[in-house]
Amino acid sequence: EAQVTQNPRYLITVTGKKLTVTCSQNMNHEYMSWYRQDPGLGLRQIYYSMNVEVTDKGDVPEGYKVSRKEKRNFPLILESPSPNQTSLYFCASSLYGEQYFGPGTRLTVT
Amino acid sequence: AQSVSQHNHHVILSEAASLELGCNYSYGGTVNLFWYVQYPGQHLQLLLKYFSGDPLVKGIKGFEAEFIKSKFSFNLRKPSVQWSDTAEYFCAVNPLMDSSYKLIFGSGTRLLVRP
Repeated sequence: EAQVTQNPRYLITVTGKKLTVTCSQNMNHEYMSWYRQDPGLGLRQIYYSMNVEVTDKGDVPEGYKVSRKEKRNFPLILESPSPNQTSLYFCASSLYGEQYFGPGTRLTVT
Repeated sequence: AQSVSQHNHHVILSEAASLELGCNYSYGGTVNLFWYVQYPGQHLQLLLKYFSGDPLVKGIKGFEAEFIKSKFSFNLRKPSVQWSDTAEYFCAVNPLMDSSYKLIFGSGTRLLVRP
């Protein structure tokens, strides 16, 4: 089944404790991206990747890092999480502009 | 900067009522347009998309949308809603200004359909 998977689905952590949210797709898509969803703001792009080893900032990249060492994986790294990064995070992969979304990761930073 | 506006943040309808959700974008070039739906507790699913051709596009579950280029609009419609259409709806635009597939989302419209 074609899908985008994310782990973990739920995470509660404390300020400053590094964490990684994994994202994997099995559709051989070159383009992948990360979004955060906040009430009243819709989804905003954090980072995107056009292909392996090619990443670029989206609209809200501060406090996040990404890497793209393999085509299927695109992890999101929070080196020092802060409470304002409490949000719902979605990974997506794309073929010809149509994006396929993962199930989401609800992150709470206390 | 490009932006997408969804004018209705909350809509409440009774079953069988007609639905129209507005979406306007600010970008003068060529765009791909999308409507996504997010059912409670679930991820975003594609309802329909417009890339080119007939400006009236039909999607899943009886939804349709019309692209009006002169108005920079891509409104979503359904003639008769059902209780199961209760969800949040997002309009999204991909400005074709480079090879990026970046999507710019509207803030969403929460639809509640009363039985």
